[in-house]
Amino acid sequence: AQSVTQPDIHITVSEGASLELRCNYSYGATPYLFWYVQSPGQGLQLLLKYFSGDTLVQGIKGFEAEFKRSQSSFNLRKPSVHWSDAAEYFCAVALYNFNKFYFGSGTKLNVKP
Amino acid sequence: DVKVTQSSRYLVKRTGEKVFLECVQDMDHENMFWYRQDPGLGLRLIYFSYDVKMKEKGDIPEGYSVSREKKERFSLILESASTNQTSMYLCASSAQGGRDGYTFGSGTRLTVV
Repeated sequence: AQSVTQPDIHITVSEGASLELRCNYSYGATPYLFWYVQSPGQGLQLLLKYFSGDTLVQGIKGFEAEFKRSQSSFNLRKPSVHWSDAAEYFCAVALYNFNKFYFGSGTKLNVKP
Repeated sequence: DVKVTQSSRYLVKRTGEKVFLECVQDMDHENMFWYRQDPGLGLRLIYFSYDVKMKEKGDIPEGYSVSREKKERFSLILESASTNQTSMYLCASSAQGGRDGYTFGSGTRLTVV
């Protein structure tokens, strides 16, 4: 069965610390990969996406993600977290036709002052 | 700025009522989607549409129907609301092929009492 797994439900980091949010997928072929962020009470905003080519992709707000085929992972990173990064983060995958996405269950990020 | 607009941010309805959730996009997108979001369960696809008057069931269509009479508008209908349909409902749209990802609305928080 196809699935997207975000193993961490909650993560707390100190402001200025580095961040890594994990995402693993289970599909027969390499899917197309996305990270979204959701601030409280808001819809989801696209952070970055990977289709092919360079496995390290840059996104908005200083985020980056690395695709590792051997580990079926697409982890999101940020070198230095700001208090405004506190939000919920969703990994999503789309199959070859892009029309339908599958989302992970989300990771809620808290940032300590 | 591109937009997906959901007509209500908060709704309170009674059990058994027929409920309409409206979503309008101004991006001339072919694809439109309805998700519900519940804590710990992430986003679950209810229905989607690839074109006017077309609809396809997602993963949890029971108790819901949809209508897409115009390209820009996608309505979610709860035929007889029940308390287990209390949730956050998110509408999204994407261009054909979906390479730019989804654009989400701000969500409608529905409470059924």
